[in-house]
Amino acid sequence: AQSVSQHNHHVILSEAASLELGCNYSYGGTVNLFWYVQYPGQHLQLLLKYFSGDPLVKGIKGFEAEFIKSKFSFNLRKPSVQWSDTAEYFCAVNARNTGKLIFGQGTTLQVKP
Amino acid sequence: GAGVSQSPSNKVTEKGKDVELRCDPISGHTALYWYRQSLGQGLEFLIYFQGNSAPDKSGLPSDRFSAERTGGSVSTLTIQRTQQEDSAVYLCASSLGGQEYQETQYFGPGTRLLVL
Repeated sequence: AQSVSQHNHHVILSEAASLELGCNYSYGGTVNLFWYVQYPGQHLQLLLKYFSGDPLVKGIKGFEAEFIKSKFSFNLRKPSVQWSDTAEYFCAVNARNTGKLIFGQGTTLQVKP
Repeated sequence: GAGVSQSPSNKVTEKGKDVELRCDPISGHTALYWYRQSLGQGLEFLIYFQGNSAPDKSGLPSDRFSAERTGGSVSTLTIQRTQQEDSAVYLCASSLGGQEYQETQYFGPGTRLLVL
């Protein structure tokens, strides 16, 4: 069965620090990869996605992620976080033959001003 | 345009009662998904609709849960004889329904269900 693992459950950073959130998935076939974000009191919204092509994808608000197929990983990065990045971040995967998203457990990011 | 809307936003019910949760997808989106977000289980898939049919119901936790979609638009998730473990936020998402599911799912604000 597919599964997604996010290594960090709770991350606390100061403003301007660099961010990397780990995400690994288990699935033998071709997948689509996503990072979603949930700001306090708001609903889930897409940060970025990877379907094919350049494994380094750029999303909104300065976020990027790199797909490393050999490591089954899709880590999220941002060079310099802001207080407004405080949110919960979810990595998700779907196989090419199904639409259902399999989510990781989520990482709560707290950025201190 | 309008995003995915869900109603009610909050629902408190007594154990054993039935509840209906509604989802209005983005206009023109043929694919519709229900997920559940709870403290212990994270975000879990429940059911997927393509048009009015449900090719994947694999995430429904028991036969107390059912869903339908009419007119290729609005969907209703029904939970019969609610139990306390059904307490969660129920999320609906919609997408265009493209090839190989290479598309964004847009999420609604959710319905927060509390079973007393």
